[in-house]
Amino acid sequence: QVTLKESGPGILQPSQTLSLTCTFSGFSLSTYGMGVGWIRQPSGKGLEWLANIWWDDDKYYNPSLKNRLTISKDTSNNQAFLKITNVDTADTATYYCARIYRPPFDYWGQGVMVTVSS
Amino acid sequence: DVLMTQTPVSLPVSLGGQVSISCRSSQSLVHSDGNTYLHWYLQKPGQSPQLLIYRVSNRFSGVPDRFSGSGSGTDFTLKISRVEPEDLGVYYCLQSTHFPPTFGAGTKLELK
Repeated sequence: QVTLKESGPGILQPSQTLSLTCTFSGFSLSTYGMGVGWIRQPSGKGLEWLANIWWDDDKYYNPSLKNRLTISKDTSNNQAFLKITNVDTADTATYYCARIYRPPFDYWGQGVMVTVSS
Repeated sequence: DVLMTQTPVSLPVSLGGQVSISCRSSQSLVHSDGNTYLHWYLQKPGQSPQLLIYRVSNRFSGVPDRFSGSGSGTDFTLKISRVEPEDLGVYYCLQSTHFPPTFGAGTKLELK
């Protein structure tokens, strides 16, 4: 059974760094072709892809945020991470992680709400 | 970036009815490998998105055959027949042929 769960700080101030963790089970990020992606959704709005990391440590970032994003993984502990630097109120959203295998984003976590506020 | 345009924005439906959702892309979604990476997701109220259809017409595991996808090139359709209460929510298309992956803005399926 594939499960994913996101965790994060809940609230942070503008200019801080947002650190998110995706803890998953039922698959391994060391499996050929496996990946994990991050997607976010401002309240009441649509979905925005942020970044993917693959089994071979290949990484892809949304160009619109590329300079602010860092994705990484800890294969041994079944975790993936996303950092977003210099946050502002526009980064307020629910952040999801999702597995990527043959179809993309086939399993999603429940999401974690992040609020950026002074 | 590839722009994904979904219509309609809102779609009233009667239970047991049939509906179609359109998703159009600003450029062809045929990949150089010959596949078309167009997928459909449903986000039920208060839940995460869930995969329904991948690569245009393939139903994901556990998705009822009331859901079907079709289309090619830049024009794609999700059809839902015999609509049930658990089908209500927002439907999104996603293209992953071109970098970066982009979602449509969503179509809200709601009761008439």
